[in-house]
Parts: sequence; C-alpha cells; structure tokens
Amino acid sequence: QQQVKQSPQSLIVQKGGISIINCAYENTAFDYFPWYQQFPGKGPALLIAIRPDVSEKKEGRFTISFNKSAKQFSLHIMDSQPGDSATYFCAASKRQGAQKLVFGQGTRLTINP
Amino acid sequence: GAGVSQSPSNKVTEKGKDVELRCDPISGHTALYWYRQSLGQGLEFLIYFQGNSAPDKSGLPSDRFSAERTGGSVSTLTIQRTQQEDSAVYLCASSLAGVSEQYFGPGTRLTVT
Repeated sequence: QQQVKQSPQSLIVQKGGISIINCAYENTAFDYFPWYQQFPGKGPALLIAIRPDVSEKKEGRFTISFNKSAKQFSLHIMDSQPGDSATYFCAASKRQGAQKLVFGQGTRLTINP
Repeated sequence: GAGVSQSPSNKVTEKGKDVELRCDPISGHTALYWYRQSLGQGLEFLIYFQGNSAPDKSGLPSDRFSAERTGGSVSTLTIQRTQQEDSAVYLCASSLAGVSEQYFGPGTRLTVT
C-alpha cells in the first residue's frame, strides 16, 4: 500500500511536443505529491508539487494533473526542449509524522532536437 | 543560500570495511532525511530526523546501517562491514519543520569492491 507506480520507464519526445508521465498510488493517506527532475550525477531537484485539494497546478511549461478518485497524477511538459532531457520521479508523502517520500521508479525522458 | 551538501562525492571501499557519509543540511532546516538510490532504481527511504525527536529508522535495511545527527545539524550515515549490495548513491535531503518540500544534496556514490 506504500507503492507509487510510475509509467512509462522511458519516453522519447520530439522538440516542441508534449511529454506526459503518469503515476498511481494506493495509500489514501498520501496528501502531498511532488515531481523531481534528476540530471546524471546530480541529486533530484524539486520541480513542482500538488496537494489533493486541487485538480491541476501549472508552473511555466510544467503542469500536474491530479485525479483523487482514481488515485492518479501526471506530469505534463509542454513545448518540450532538449534541456528537459532527464529522469523524472513522482513521489508521495503523508502530511502527519515523518513526511518520508515514497518514490516511483522514474522515467527517463529524451527530447530529440 | 547554500543548498544541501554531502561528502565525499565518491567513495570506493573494499567489502567488509566501514564507511561514513556526511550530510550538511540547509541552514535552518530541522528535518533531515537519508535515501538510497540503487543503479537504475527509484529512491528508497532510509532514516528521518526531526529536531530532538527520536529518529524514524524504519527504512534502514539492516543493523549494519546507522545514522546520527549532532547538534541538530550535520548528519552522518555509517555502514558497517560493507557488502557489494550496498553499492548505490546515498542522498540526503532537508526541509523546514512541518513543511513537505524536501531539498536534496548531490549524493555520495558508494562503490563496494
């Protein structure tokens, strides 16, 4: 019940296209859902996050869509650029107690120029 | 301001040796987390410190792993009698108390030969 399942494992998108990565969770106690971006040899960097009280959050070219009833959330990258090529991780945590993040397995995104 | 720093950036050790990994959290962040990222895998929670509370050690994989946090700031993760399966990137993250956003350091890549 602690799992977060992420798909696809890898994704290739043409420059200017829309990249979509999906995650699903089981534990209804989760109430914080961040996305992290990781470049090779670097630590994960917080990209954008959402709480279940909203269905969508947008920051620049990055949008999180959240479906509470389906227990799913997704990351959309609009106008994808070669610089977006990285590994993306979704995660989830509870508000109470140790807010340890449970991560998805990651998606390796490649944007072709 | 300065982000989370970790040292060393790389560590190669022989099987059976003990290693110590260090984390300096962002100044003012009272919550500190350790995660492990194995090759091609997602991030796995290890241990959590919050202020003077007892740490949440629920993610430590064996009793060979331990961690301490001195003075509410710097943390050291110790792995005793290292095994080849301990080879991974060890990541530290910190956050403000009661705030979900966690900020990661660059990690320590541990290789056990």
